Amino acid sequence: ETGVTQTPRHLVMGMTNKKSLKCEQHLGHNAMYWYKQSAKKPLELMFVYSLEERVENNSVPSRFSPECPNSSHLFLHLHTLQPEDSALYLCASSQVEGSGGYTFGSGTRLTVV
Amino acid sequence: AQTVTQSQPEMSVQEAETVTLSCTYDTSESDYYLFWYKQPPSRQMILVIRQEAYKQQNATENRFSVNFQKAAKSFSLKISDSQLGDAAMYFCAYSGTGTASKLTFGTGTRLQVTL
Repeated sequence: ETGVTQTPRHLVMGMTNKKSLKCEQHLGHNAMYWYKQSAKKPLELMFVYSLEERVENNSVPSRFSPECPNSSHLFLHLHTLQPEDSALYLCASSQVEGSGGYTFGSGTRLTVV
Repeated sequence: AQTVTQSQPEMSVQEAETVTLSCTYDTSESDYYLFWYKQPPSRQMILVIRQEAYKQQNATENRFSVNFQKAAKSFSLKISDSQLGDAAMYFCAYSGTGTASKLTFGTGTRLQVTL
């Protein structure tokens, strides 16, 4: 157990479905991140929340909608996804100050059919 | 924008031997952080080692050490006495020093460890 927990571990959804990914950390970190990991591509940063405020949105399509209700929880709401959105979605957390590195969860493997 | 390049998609090493994974990066900053992360089949990204750019001394963590060449913008990872459990994807990553600085990753190197 790393301190960052992601659920569900696997998710299969149709293109018209609405689902949510959940990330939870109890490390006392105050920054949280969503990354997308596709085969043979570098990890892509999707969203950054610092002190519960979104500070970066890397031109992610609106069919992905993040939510950070408090410093311990981060959600990624999904709707009307495309097959190319199939990937491993990784959540991470860190301290805002300094760069001690991130702590990652084990990811949600998403398949869009 | 910062970029991280890992030119070795796959590497193989025999158990108990030493292997070096390469990484180069591009940045205009003078102060930053560099990392190596390991991703085993369990998918969880695990921090292996961290280097602060303003420190000349190369970081070491048990069997893992780095060769940090700031002028050449090179940051290689050496794994000594390789073990079967070292088999994984290894990612090199860069971070600036600003608030909630984002990590920029390379494409990874898959390391196989053979008997």
